[in-house]
Amino acid sequence: EVQLVQSGAEVKKPGESLKISCKGSGYIFATYWIAWVRQMPGKGLEWMGSIYPADFETRYSPSFQGQVTISADRSISTAYLQWNSLKASDTAIYYCARQETSVGHNYFDYWGQGTLVTVSS
Amino acid sequence: HSALTQPASVSGSPGQSITISCTGTSSDVGGYNYVSWYQQHPGKAPKLMIYDVSNRPSGVSNRFSGSKSGNTASLTISGLQAEDEADYYCSSYSSRSPIVVFGGGTKLTVL
Repeated sequence: EVQLVQSGAEVKKPGESLKISCKGSGYIFATYWIAWVRQMPGKGLEWMGSIYPADFETRYSPSFQGQVTISADRSISTAYLQWNSLKASDTAIYYCARQETSVGHNYFDYWGQGTLVTVSS
Repeated sequence: HSALTQPASVSGSPGQSITISCTGTSSDVGGYNYVSWYQQHPGKAPKLMIYDVSNRPSGVSNRFSGSKSGNTASLTISGLQAEDEADYYCSSYSSRSPIVVFGGGTKLTVL
């Protein structure tokens, strides 16, 4: 059974750093892109970026380029989303999702449970 | 401002059918058969309902169907049930950055 399990909720202060995780199981982790998707309170879904663990190729949305870092560790089947200096506007739920991109396909078939990040002074 | 345009809300009575539209451009919805639809209940993660315009993942009810005409994709839910009440999001691959775009979401109310 494919599963993506994310790390727990975080409460941080503005200016602090943070790294949240997403552990995949039930499939060959390296061979599927993993995406990160933001959902701000009461708002819709926004694609932040994706990483291909096999070669660590990473693609970012222009809205998030330079604001976050997406990485992965193949040895433990885990993807990460990292901030160096959080802002209050980073308060949101962050989802990871497995991205199917084989020829003729492009969609998110499995999702993590979400990680709530609260940034407040 | 979302890249894909969806109605903010739709409603229907149990047993009826509803359709949610998702309008993009020739760079995304109109240019590729990579439209997908996601259902999200309050406090839950999104769930894939339709992929590649009109395909249903295993386990998704055949009451859900997808289609596309030009730059507009549609999700139709037939035989509405109370459990269908949720937010629905469309998504598409885009040839312009960002390469993945979502619609703003549609709240479905089952009356």
